[in-house]
Amino acid sequence: DIVMTQTPSSQAVSAGEKVTMSCKSSQSLLYSGDQKNYLAWYQQKPGQSPKLLIYLASTRESGVPDRFIGSGSGTDFTLTISSVQAEDLADYYCQQHYSYPYTFGAGTKLELK
Amino acid sequence: EVQLVESGGGLVQPGRSLKLSCAASGFTFSNYYMAWVRQAPKKGLEWVATISTSGSRTYYPDSVKGRFTISRDNAKSSLYLQMNSLKSEDTATYYCASCGVWYYGLLPPFAYWGQGTLVTVSS
Repeated sequence: DIVMTQTPSSQAVSAGEKVTMSCKSSQSLLYSGDQKNYLAWYQQKPGQSPKLLIYLASTRESGVPDRFIGSGSGTDFTLTISSVQAEDLADYYCQQHYSYPYTFGAGTKLELK
Repeated sequence: EVQLVESGGGLVQPGRSLKLSCAASGFTFSNYYMAWVRQAPKKGLEWVATISTSGSRTYYPDSVKGRFTISRDNAKSSLYLQMNSLKSEDTATYYCASCGVWYYGLLPPFAYWGQGTLVTVSS
């Protein structure tokens, strides 16, 4: 199974700050057939179900604000929020969608400083 | 608007069975792979099962293989999860998820999620 490791586990932020969080996979998520990285990011606000933000490492889902930026390749990936808003306080999970079994990271919790 | 509404959760004793349902609307259900994902209380996300558009192919992690069965009824736009031999570690909120439109080579992410149904396994 592909192991997904997220850091940090939690991060205290102020509104307007730039935030980055990391996700590393135990094997490459770059598929040679199309040169795409099969890595997704989800946001889960308290009491809500997860929401898909980004897939294929850097493609924003429809309706997701452009302050959410996914980057990286191979085994190292980053989610950047260019200017954090109050409504971005949530848990963020990375997930590999390269092969079965799908696996998720343990999450990064964004909290208010 | 895509809607996924789970039902069937509740309190069940260890070793017993439970069947979850998910009613889908707002999209052509039969065109998309569907999945179940669970989240234990205060924990992260764990993929539980995926089913192909026709239902002919199913996929499970080792943690539930042989105990859980995913199925679908395209005529009713409904997804199911039959859970047998339940254990305390199966206690979680179970989410129904749709894989959405997907044109790429490997697996799709989970584009749409329901609100979840809580399953508690306890004596």
